[in-house]
Amino acid sequence: SQTIHQWPATLVQPVGSPLSLECTVEGTSNPNLYWYRQAAGRGLQLLFYSVGIGQISSEVPQNLSASRPQDRQFILSSKKLLLSDSGFYLCAWRRDSPYNEQFFGPGTRLTVL
Amino acid sequence: AQSVTQPDIHITVSEGASLELRCNYSYGATPYLFWYVQSPGQGLQLLLKYFSGDTLVQGIKGFEAEFKRSQSSFNLRKPSVHWSDAAEYFCAVASSGAGSYQLTFGKGTKLSVIP
Repeated sequence: SQTIHQWPATLVQPVGSPLSLECTVEGTSNPNLYWYRQAAGRGLQLLFYSVGIGQISSEVPQNLSASRPQDRQFILSSKKLLLSDSGFYLCAWRRDSPYNEQFFGPGTRLTVL
Repeated sequence: AQSVTQPDIHITVSEGASLELRCNYSYGATPYLFWYVQSPGQGLQLLLKYFSGDTLVQGIKGFEAEFKRSQSSFNLRKPSVHWSDAAEYFCAVASSGAGSYQLTFGKGTKLSVIP
């Protein structure tokens, strides 16, 4: 069966510091991968998605970037965090099925102080 | 562009009562529709999904949803709510583009359950 992991679970960082969040998927190959951000009371916003190694699409202009160095690894990064980067970050993978459903990881709670 | 509206921000029901959470979508083609549930501090769990076929779909935890094309709705229902159903519920529509399928979410409905 497939599982998705996110690391770390929580993170507190000062403004201006770098960021690296990791997402890994097990039990599937060449998945489509996604990063979402969930801000309080604002639902989920798609940040990036990837259809393969080295292929990244950005949905919104922002202070963040994403990379996919390996087939089942998706990384969210920033060189200098802003207060507005605080939120709950969720990684997801898409099952290649008639429904194209997405499955989510446990999330990373990021607080920028 | 696709969009999803969940008109109820917060709903409170008594344990054992029935539940209906509303979802309206806007999408030009036949939509892929989903309901997810999120407990505090957790990721999202898929409750059920719809693409085609029977318009009444069954999901996990005793939930069901009905697709009504004429009303652009995909409401979630449960006949008898349990205290453990207290959580936030998200409706989503998937659209295709650039070789992938992207989810657009509603803003969520928080469900509180009174003992």
